[in-house]
Amino acid sequence: GEDVEQSLFLSVREGDSSVINCTYTDSSSTYLYWYKQEPGAGLQLLTYIFSNMDMKQDQRLTVLLNKKDKHLSLRIADTQTGDSAIYFCAERAGTALIFGKGTTLSVSS
Amino acid sequence: DTAVSQTPKYLVTQMGNDKSIKCEQNLGHDTMYWYKQDSKKFLKIMFSYNNKELIINETVPNRFSPKSPDKAHLNLHINSLELGDSAVYFCASSQGALGTVDGYTFGSGTRLTVV
Repeated sequence: GEDVEQSLFLSVREGDSSVINCTYTDSSSTYLYWYKQEPGAGLQLLTYIFSNMDMKQDQRLTVLLNKKDKHLSLRIADTQTGDSAIYFCAERAGTALIFGKGTTLSVSS
Repeated sequence: DTAVSQTPKYLVTQMGNDKSIKCEQNLGHDTMYWYKQDSKKFLKIMFSYNNKELIINETVPNRFSPKSPDKAHLNLHINSLELGDSAVYFCASSQGALGTVDGYTFGSGTRLTVV
């Protein structure tokens, strides 16, 4: 079945770049997503990338997709303390989104 | 206006009880979902309804029963609650046609604690 893997923790200093990595299994996924969950809140869609793209940039966020290796990454430039949250990678399988286990990003000042 | 609203936000109950969680969306979406997030923050899909029809029914105990009275509502009823049911339950909705770019809009979650 579909599976999405992420490393569980990432710790960075304020102002540094953060890179969160994800691997997925379903090569037919048309869209891949990044969601952010702040403490005690639901998930918010951060960005997405269509499977025929290699890269997508949206302000401080850069998404890179290596379809051959089924590898997705999210780079956050100039990471701020407000970026501390759990980041979930997700692939679309039919009408359902399959989520990775989430990467907890901790930003220290 | 809240797009996807769940009630209650917190639910503390004893083992063996039956409880319901309600979800409503005002986005006009045709697909709704229930996800369970455990204590390690892992998210797993439980159910999905499209226009009141069950389309995803993952392996969950049959003590969990979803009900969709109309496409704007998806409720989750849980019978004979067990300690292991303690989790945060998220409702979500999407305009769910295959291949569209839409992600999901999530509710803020219901934290269920079974004691």
